[in-house]
Amino acid sequence: KQEVTQIPAALSVPEGENLVLNCSFTDSAIYNLQWFRQDPGKGLTSLLLIQSSQREQTSGRLNASLDKSSGRSTLYIAASQPGDSATYLCAVRQAGTALIFGKGTTLSVSS
Amino acid sequence: GAVVSQHPSRVICKSGTSVKIECRSLDFQATTMFWYRQFPKKSLMLMATSNEGSKATYEQGVEKDKFLINHASLTLSTLTVTSAHPEDSSFYICSAKTLFNGDEQFFGPGTRLTVL
Repeated sequence: KQEVTQIPAALSVPEGENLVLNCSFTDSAIYNLQWFRQDPGKGLTSLLLIQSSQREQTSGRLNASLDKSSGRSTLYIAASQPGDSATYLCAVRQAGTALIFGKGTTLSVSS
Repeated sequence: GAVVSQHPSRVICKSGTSVKIECRSLDFQATTMFWYRQFPKKSLMLMATSNEGSKATYEQGVEKDKFLINHASLTLSTLTVTSAHPEDSSFYICSAKTLFNGDEQFFGPGTRLTVL
């Protein structure tokens, strides 16, 4: 059964720092991987979607990489801002199934 | 595009009553919808997969008679929590899948259910 793990569970950084969030999954036969952002009490905002054939995706200050063979993905956030404070969720999908989520990394960026 | 709405956004009910949550894909047809629940400070747990016109497939441990799912059209799925109890209090999020844009799942804003 697919399991998704995110490390660290929580992270606090000062404004302006670059940071990396890690995601690992046990079954490398994935269809795609998505990174989401969730603010407290709110729904999910999709940040980046990486297909299994892709190595990375970029959107603004965000860059997500995927190494399917090793079961790892990273989300790189450049020049962090207080508005980036949220919980970041990694999720993977295998063919014909729903997204399976990790427990998330809660990021706090102080000004 | 690819907007998913949920209604209501927040509901408070008494123990023993039933609550219906609607999930709509506003600008696309969703052949498949998913229902998740999320406890405080926990991740999203898949409850069931709903295909239009057929019975939902429930994940292990999810009571199908308690969480009734209906997917009557390509744009609407409903989740009814029957005889709700305080332990059913949670954040329920629906998601809809389209065959376009890389088969991506799009998520609704969630419904906060509180059972007194």
